[in-house]
Amino acid sequence: QQQVKQSPQSLIVQKGGIPIINCAYENTAFDYFPWYQQFPGKGPALLIAIRPDVSEKKEGRFTISFNKSAKQFSLHIMDSQPGDSATYFCASLRNYGQNFVFGPGTRLSVLP
Amino acid sequence: GAGVSQSPSNKVTEKGKDVELRCDPISGHTALYWYRQSLGQGLEFLIYFQGNSAPDKSGLPSDRFSAERTGGSVSTLTIQRTQQEDSAVYLCASSLIAGGRTEGDTQYFGPGTRLTVL
Repeated sequence: QQQVKQSPQSLIVQKGGIPIINCAYENTAFDYFPWYQQFPGKGPALLIAIRPDVSEKKEGRFTISFNKSAKQFSLHIMDSQPGDSATYFCASLRNYGQNFVFGPGTRLSVLP
Repeated sequence: GAGVSQSPSNKVTEKGKDVELRCDPISGHTALYWYRQSLGQGLEFLIYFQGNSAPDKSGLPSDRFSAERTGGSVSTLTIQRTQQEDSAVYLCASSLIAGGRTEGDTQYFGPGTRLTVL
């Protein structure tokens, strides 16, 4: 019940495309769902996060869609750019703890 | 201001040796986290500090792993009798307060220490 599943493992899109990365969780105690972006040789950086009381959150070109009943959430990147090429991690946080459970990551490549 | 810093950036050691990894969090951040990232894998939570105490050590993989934090600031992760399976990037993160649910609790990650055990 501590797992967060993430797919696809890797994704290649053309510039301007809309990559979609999906995550699913099992533990209904999770109540906070952030996405992190990691460039090679760097630590992850928070990109966008959502709580289960809303179904969608948008920040710039990044949108999280959240489906509480299905226990799934996804990241959409609008008008993707080569600079978006990175590894993206979804994560979930239990409401009674401070440690995050991370998905295994998706390596995104945006071709020029 | 300065972000989270970690040292060394790279560490190569022989199996059986002890290693110490250091994390300097952002000044004023009370919460500090250690994670392990194996090649091509996600982040594995190891331990979390609130101030100098560690309310959650549930992620430490064995008793060879320990961590301490002094003065509510610098933290050291120690791995005793290193094994080849300990090879990974060890990431440290800090946040203003614990919880991670609001912008004020955002975890800021350091660049990591790449540990290679031969």
